[in-house]
Amino acid sequence: SQQGEEDPQALSIQEGENATMNCSYKTSINNLQWYRQNSGRGLVHLILIRSNEREKHSGRLRVTLDTSKKSSSLLITASRAADTASYFCATDAYQGGSEKLVFGKGTKLTVNP
Amino acid sequence: NAGVMQNPRHLVRRRGQEARLRCSPMKGHSHVYWYRQLPEEGLKFMVYLQKENIIDESGMPKERFSAEFPKEGPSILRIQQVVRGDSAAYFCASSPFKQSYGYTFGSGTRLTVV
Repeated sequence: SQQGEEDPQALSIQEGENATMNCSYKTSINNLQWYRQNSGRGLVHLILIRSNEREKHSGRLRVTLDTSKKSSSLLITASRAADTASYFCATDAYQGGSEKLVFGKGTKLTVNP
Repeated sequence: NAGVMQNPRHLVRRRGQEARLRCSPMKGHSHVYWYRQLPEEGLKFMVYLQKENIIDESGMPKERFSAEFPKEGPSILRIQQVVRGDSAAYFCASSPFKQSYGYTFGSGTRLTVV
């Protein structure tokens, strides 16, 4: 079952602007992760935020987590054309007898030069 | 450390044929996960394996799909009698932990059924 749901589905911005993507989820979590996927490639792990954390930074990335609203946001500052990719949130879910990552449908980000 | 290796990168099969997808986990990783991605969709969990054991196959279709992770060699995802709806990207991830972090994903196998 789908756990994370990102919005917007697609986002187009100009180089240098900030990009914000949101993720909502349904059940309680231990952590939430953001991944990036370039077109036709595999997934690259960006950042993990634990349920007892509210904000985390990594370079130009800033992630927030609001467990009361069951939502997270990913902010990419000073975007570059190379940031063009799909971004997915993933939450840990105990389903079917094991813990696994459950992904949303993703936000497709286009950064125009 | 070569990362998670998946092969082939691209696979074309005619309807009714069998598809075999291989995944070699990172050295030291004993947990393997298979995910399927349909076009413009997120990744959907299929199966979780450890060496010689299927731990969770709750995401696997009931028929035609099987997976194994033998004592020696790569993990194999096998799809028998493929249909057009099986066309997708299949990703493998490995992890040193049974928890849902520390995953390293392979580059995927893109299966096209014609």
